[in-house]
Amino acid sequence: GAVVSQHPSWVICKSGTSVKIECRSLDFQATTMFWYRQFPKQSLMLMATSNEGSKATYEQGVEKDKFLINHASLTLSTLTVTSAHPEDSSFYICSAYLAGGSYNEQFFGPGTRLTVL
Amino acid sequence: KQEVTQIPAALSVPEGENLVLNCSFTDSAIYNLQWFRQDPGKGLTSLLLIQSSQREQTSGRLNASLDKSSGRSTLYIAASQPGDSATYLCAVANQAGTALIFGKGTTLSVSS
Repeated sequence: GAVVSQHPSWVICKSGTSVKIECRSLDFQATTMFWYRQFPKQSLMLMATSNEGSKATYEQGVEKDKFLINHASLTLSTLTVTSAHPEDSSFYICSAYLAGGSYNEQFFGPGTRLTVL
Repeated sequence: KQEVTQIPAALSVPEGENLVLNCSFTDSAIYNLQWFRQDPGKGLTSLLLIQSSQREQTSGRLNASLDKSSGRSTLYIAASQPGDSATYLCAVANQAGTALIFGKGTTLSVSS
């Protein structure tokens, strides 16, 4: 099956710093990737849709200037949490959409746990 | 706006029992529905994906059904094992290439 990686798997940072999370589709090209966030005991909520070569589309309530998304290639999307604060501590999961053939499916990365002190 | 609900929120069963997890969605015009497993502190493991034109999918001891017209899906787990203990998430895609909308999950505990 299609594989999506995320790096780092976990990160601890001080309040006010910025953190970059990478999402890579390892064996397929993805024009569309999605970023989700999961708070403790909650389900996954979509943050933004990342399209290669264009600006990301953010969900209502998600600050685009705080959560910078770059999808510069067909295999890589990055999420940068700028000036992170403790309330940004969460589990961030990306997915990459594989279209065509027997697939029309999203494949998920393993997630990145962010803890802001 | 599509909403996905999962019942029950938590379930505890003894090993060997057959069980059913329920998922309902408000807008029946879905593209596909997917069941995932999530272990504590971990990412998602895809279990079964059902296209809107399909009625069910099976993988080993798992069987997922879809009744699009009534907005319901069930995940049937046969002969449950302690290793099945996890949170099970149901998610729908309204259209091809769009984000998944997740339910809050059912946390399953299987005791030996």
